[in-house]
Amino acid sequence: EPEVTQTPSHQVTQMGQEVILRCVPISNHLYFYWYRQILGQKVEFLVSFYNNEISEKSEIFDDQFSVERPDGSNFTLKIRSTKLEDSAMYFCASSVETGVGEQYFGPGTRLTVT
Amino acid sequence: SQQGEEDPQALSIQEGENATMNCSYKTSINNLQWYRQNSGRGLVHLILIRSNEREKHSGRLRVTLDTSKKSSSLLITASRAADTASYFCATVGSNDYKLSFGAGTTVTVRA
Repeated sequence: EPEVTQTPSHQVTQMGQEVILRCVPISNHLYFYWYRQILGQKVEFLVSFYNNEISEKSEIFDDQFSVERPDGSNFTLKIRSTKLEDSAMYFCASSVETGVGEQYFGPGTRLTVT
Repeated sequence: SQQGEEDPQALSIQEGENATMNCSYKTSINNLQWYRQNSGRGLVHLILIRSNEREKHSGRLRVTLDTSKKSSSLLITASRAADTASYFCATVGSNDYKLSFGAGTTVTVRA
């Protein structure tokens, strides 16, 4: 069964460093998302992406964040200058149709900022 | 805020018993979805119920939706140890396409 994959599974970085989290959505899906979950807290929406542009973003998704679909398969989230509070589990998701349909989540990347 | 809120926060039951958890939300929705998360793992989609639906079944899962009360319930029948997980409701608003998650219900099924 097709699934969303994410790499790496765990990333440790120092404050101020740039990180890139990678995702491979399900191949026939057109809509892509990033969510994050700080330990013990709710899953929070960051950004949605369709047709090579951001379709919606949350207040969390400030200028330090960017997303890209560099080729036909990968979908990346970049954090330019990480902060301690960026430590969280980051989930990528994809869907065939817009968010009105079910979204398929990857296993997540645990980002630890020290 | 659109976000759903689950109740109870935690639930402990014996294997074979039913588990019921509830979700309330604040504004109009296009649909409501339930997800499961095993400890430290990703989210697995369980079931989606649209705003014009009142009840939906999938295997041992039964979901109801009451849009007049802005609430939903998830029933897991004949629970198994493998059902031990956190369960989240997530709403999709009428005018947006993102999932807004609640805080989740942690279910422990004792063997």
